[in-house]
Amino acid sequence: EAQVTQNPRYLITVTGKKLTVTCSQNMNHEYMSWYRQDPGLGLRQIYYSMNVEVTDKGDVPEGYKVSRKEKRNFPLILESPSPNQTSLYFCASSVGHLAYEQYFGPGTRLTVT
Amino acid sequence: AQKITQTQPGMFVQEKEAVTLDCTYDTSDPSYGLFWYKQPSSGEMIFLIYQGSYDQQNATEGRYSLNFQKARKSANLVISASQLGDSAMYFCAMRDPGTDKLIFGTGTRLQVFP
Repeated sequence: EAQVTQNPRYLITVTGKKLTVTCSQNMNHEYMSWYRQDPGLGLRQIYYSMNVEVTDKGDVPEGYKVSRKEKRNFPLILESPSPNQTSLYFCASSVGHLAYEQYFGPGTRLTVT
Repeated sequence: AQKITQTQPGMFVQEKEAVTLDCTYDTSDPSYGLFWYKQPSSGEMIFLIYQGSYDQQNATEGRYSLNFQKARKSANLVISASQLGDSAMYFCAMRDPGTDKLIFGTGTRLQVFP
């Protein structure tokens, strides 16, 4: 089954404790992206990757890191989480073409206390 | 800068009726893609329909259709014969041709009542 998986689905952590949210897709997509969703703001892009070893900042990259060492994986790293990073996070992937929809993972709900 | 605007925070519709969710966009690129996603209370993002800027006809997918008015820069979603399961948050989005980024609107919460 074609899918994007994220782990963990739910996470409660404390300020400053490094964490990684994993994202994996099995569709051989070139393009992968991370979004955060906050009430009243819709989804905003954090980082994206057009292909292996190619990553770039989105609209809200501060406080986040990513890497793309393999085509299927695109982990999101929070080196020192803060309460303002409490949010719902989505990973997405697609064929790297304008006309194709992005497939979303199930989301990771992160709470930073 | 590209922008998506959804001016209806919430909409109500009776079961079996049609409903239109508004979306306007702003871009200077001649080539772009417009998408609608549904987010039920369970949280996942479900792709509904796509319209390309050069498409001559309005897109349709089952009970979903996209009323694309290019000159007005609007891409409204029409849901025909609403069902209780249509109750969800609906997001309009535009794909940036340069970065492949999806730019989202703030969403419209649709509630279908019996």
